[in-house]
Amino acid sequence: GENVEQHPSTLSVQEGDSAVIKCTYSDSASNYFPWYKQELGKGPQLIIDIRSNVGEKKDQRIAVTLNKTAKHFSLHITETQPEDSAVYFCAALALHGARDTGNQFYFGTGTSLTVIP
Amino acid sequence: NAGVTQTPKFQVLKTGQSMTLQCAQDMNHEYMSWYRQDPGMGLRLIHYSVGAGITDQGEVPNGYNVSRSTTEDFPLRLLSAAPSQTSVYFCASSYKRGTEAFFGQGTRLTVV
Repeated sequence: GENVEQHPSTLSVQEGDSAVIKCTYSDSASNYFPWYKQELGKGPQLIIDIRSNVGEKKDQRIAVTLNKTAKHFSLHITETQPEDSAVYFCAALALHGARDTGNQFYFGTGTSLTVIP
Repeated sequence: NAGVTQTPKFQVLKTGQSMTLQCAQDMNHEYMSWYRQDPGMGLRLIHYSVGAGITDQGEVPNGYNVSRSTTEDFPLRLLSAAPSQTSVYFCASSYKRGTEAFFGQGTRLTVV
């Protein structure tokens, strides 16, 4: 099965600085890569996703890059704000296949981001 | 729109007890899943369903049962609780494959 590794496990940045979280995956069949943000006491919430036919995607201060050859993808948060403090998870999914295996996401182990005011 | 609702939010069980974690969604999603979240291990898939009457095992299914009699509900049953099942459990639903998973608020389970 798929193995997703995520680094770093903790990250502290000053408000206004950028934060970068990196993930690698093992299954070359994976072709959908979402990023989830989890605030304390809540369930994860999708913040951005990317598919394998795209190298980069941006949404305001958040961007994700994908390198399929190297099997890694990264989350970039610019101009960080205190409300960005949360745990971030990357995930991978193989969309194609004869059998419908649902949305079997393989998640990374999470990055706890702290933005210091 | 309530989204995905999980009950209870907290539960303490004794070893050997059984219980059912409830999950309901009101978005008419076909796909539903159960994950457990443990420190340093991210979220791991327990069981999933691609529609009413259809369920399958995920990465860590041992000790858990599921059923899907309706589109809305996807309960997770612990047959005989063990301390290793102490975790935070999340239910999620999706419209279709490769789309956003909507998560519930989680159930924090402690087995003593």
